[in-house]
Amino acid sequence: QKEVEQDPGPLSVPEGAIVSLNCTYSNSAFQYFMWYRQYSRKGPELLMYTYSSGNKEDGRFTAQVDKSSKYISLFIRDSQPSDSATYLCAMRSGFQKLVFGTGTRLLVSP
Amino acid sequence: GAVVSQHPSWVICKSGTSVKIECRSLDFQATTMFWYRQFPKQSLMLMATSNEGSKATYEQGVEKDKFLINHASLTLSTLTVTSAHPEDSSFYICSADPGLAGTIQETQYFGPGTRLLVL
Repeated sequence: QKEVEQDPGPLSVPEGAIVSLNCTYSNSAFQYFMWYRQYSRKGPELLMYTYSSGNKEDGRFTAQVDKSSKYISLFIRDSQPSDSATYLCAMRSGFQKLVFGTGTRLLVSP
Repeated sequence: GAVVSQHPSWVICKSGTSVKIECRSLDFQATTMFWYRQFPKQSLMLMATSNEGSKATYEQGVEKDKFLINHASLTLSTLTVTSAHPEDSSFYICSADPGLAGTIQETQYFGPGTRLLVL
């Protein structure tokens, strides 16, 4: 079993839809949770960074962490074609290395 | 924001040659930098953790004599692929952690990646 599970997709939605991206994990020691966006042939770009449980909002993006369920989510409101990319969840505990999900490919059609 | 650059962005080389990739943190100092490898449609695979002033820590299965890492300063780490072969062709991405050594207040910021093609 992988430490972090993420559906690879692709997830196809129409422009304006609310997108929900999710990851589950098995290591209860994870405390720091991140979402990265990666366009094709580019390096990952940090979108959201959350410590422990709770919600965090930044513009159209909302990150949720439920440590009791070992489940994290990223919501994108009013999705745009420019949001089409691969979204990677990542997490770590303390000084340990980041553990990535496999990434979910999102396609937003005009 | 935190910016990390990589050079070159892409490189083509002949089999048997060595290739050096630079990773720089432009607006912050990074005690720790990381080197990843990514194959098409796959996630990032951590190759090694680079610490300024000390030897890099390599992940299991990564040949340290083939992938030489030098963290010369708090803003520069280099990855040298020695005696490159076609199977080394990949997308190499570095990241830098702006947190001070011993603190965990920050996360990693990634460079734009270097595409290596070995003929």
